[in-house]
Amino acid sequence: AQSVTQLGSHVSVSEGALVLLRCNYSSSVPPYLFWYVQYPNQGLQLLLKYTTGATLVKGINGFEAEFKKSETSFHLTKPSAHMSDAAEYFCAVSGSTNAGKSTFGDGTTLTVKP
Amino acid sequence: DTGVSQDPRHKITKRGQNVTFRCDPISEHNRLYWYRQTLGQGPEFLTYFQNEAQLEKSRLLSDRFSAERPKGSFSTLEIQRTEQGDSAMYLCASSLEGAKGIGAFFGQGTRLTVV
Repeated sequence: AQSVTQLGSHVSVSEGALVLLRCNYSSSVPPYLFWYVQYPNQGLQLLLKYTTGATLVKGINGFEAEFKKSETSFHLTKPSAHMSDAAEYFCAVSGSTNAGKSTFGDGTTLTVKP
Repeated sequence: DTGVSQDPRHKITKRGQNVTFRCDPISEHNRLYWYRQTLGQGPEFLTYFQNEAQLEKSRLLSDRFSAERPKGSFSTLEIQRTEQGDSAMYLCASSLEGAKGIGAFFGQGTRLTVV
């Protein structure tokens, strides 16, 4: 069984400030981990993913995340927020045998203040 | 091929009516997934196909829901006798088996409103 907990349903930062969105997971098998972004009335766009290998993964739009097995975490960061980063972000976990079948967290809405 | 395509983007229907949604996956992808997303929640897995075979169905998929992928290409999701609780965004995704770790590519979704 797998589950995802996203800590903080809403996060607000100032433009130019650090973005930190938290994700903890539970998985009975080695996990694949994903972060997606969703704009209003749109589908999900993949930001980055962890499968195996390097635990610090870089994605699009300047985002990165670090897989910490001991903490069962996969937090998403961006050094400097931009107004266009305002959106909803979802963390997801899957197993290696079916990477497309994911369990999602409930999402974090990021607001960026000018 | 520009990605996963879903049609329609929006559907408003009266309670008790049947609705059908279509998903066209990325052409070389052999796996296709349906998810449902209600307001304020993350997507929830409904079912998936490998080629034309439906390999798994979630308990969320009641008897009123049926999905098909007749030729292993596009897929349809039908909801019979719609209820207000069916109002949600229905997301389709596709992936390529064997391309481990790639994950799934999502379409823009179909937003269903049952009135």
